[in-house]
Amino acid sequence: EVQLVESGGGLVQPGGSLRLSCAASGFTFSNYEMNWVRQAPGKGLEWVSYIDSRGSTIFYADSVKGRFTISRDNSKNSLYLQMNSLRAEDTAVYYCARPNPNSGGWRAFDYWGQGTLVTVSS
Amino acid sequence: QSALTQPASVSGSPGQSITISCTGTSSDVGAYNYVSWYQQHPGKAPQLMIYDVSKRPSGISDRFSGSKSGNTASLIISGLQAEDEADYYCSSYTRSSTWVFGGGTKLTVL
Repeated sequence: EVQLVESGGGLVQPGGSLRLSCAASGFTFSNYEMNWVRQAPGKGLEWVSYIDSRGSTIFYADSVKGRFTISRDNSKNSLYLQMNSLRAEDTAVYYCARPNPNSGGWRAFDYWGQGTLVTVSS
Repeated sequence: QSALTQPASVSGSPGQSITISCTGTSSDVGAYNYVSWYQQHPGKAPQLMIYDVSKRPSGISDRFSGSKSGNTASLIISGLQAEDEADYYCSSYTRSSTWVFGGGTKLTVL
């Protein structure tokens, strides 16, 4: 059974840092690209970042570029999101999401974690 | 990257059909056949309902279907059921190698 379990969320002050983790199981993690998607309280979904299977190709949303860093450790079946210079508007539930291999370009997300809440507030 | 445009809310009675639209641009919805739709119940993670415009993942009811014309995609739910009440989000891959989501549509089953 595919499982994605996020951790590392919590309360942090504006300007602070936090590192999120996503532990993957039930599939060959090293074969899959991965993404982070967030959802502010009561708001819609927002794509945050993408990393390819080897960690060599990475993309970010403009809203987090230069502040967030996505990475992965295939030996540990884990995905990470290092978040620096956090702002109040970064407050959200952060999900890791796996692409659907049946999608022609792997451009849909078929498995999501339960999410981890990040709250940026003084 | 601007969010795709969805109606804030739609409603229908059990057994009826509803359509949720999703309007983007030639840089996202109109650029590729990589539109997907997600259902989200309160407090839960999103669930993939439609991918590549019109394909259904295994286990998703055939009451859910999708289509696209130009820069606008649509999700059609037929035979509306109480359990369909949820938020629905469209998403598209973009020419910038990023993804963009719609603002979400709250479906109410009357």
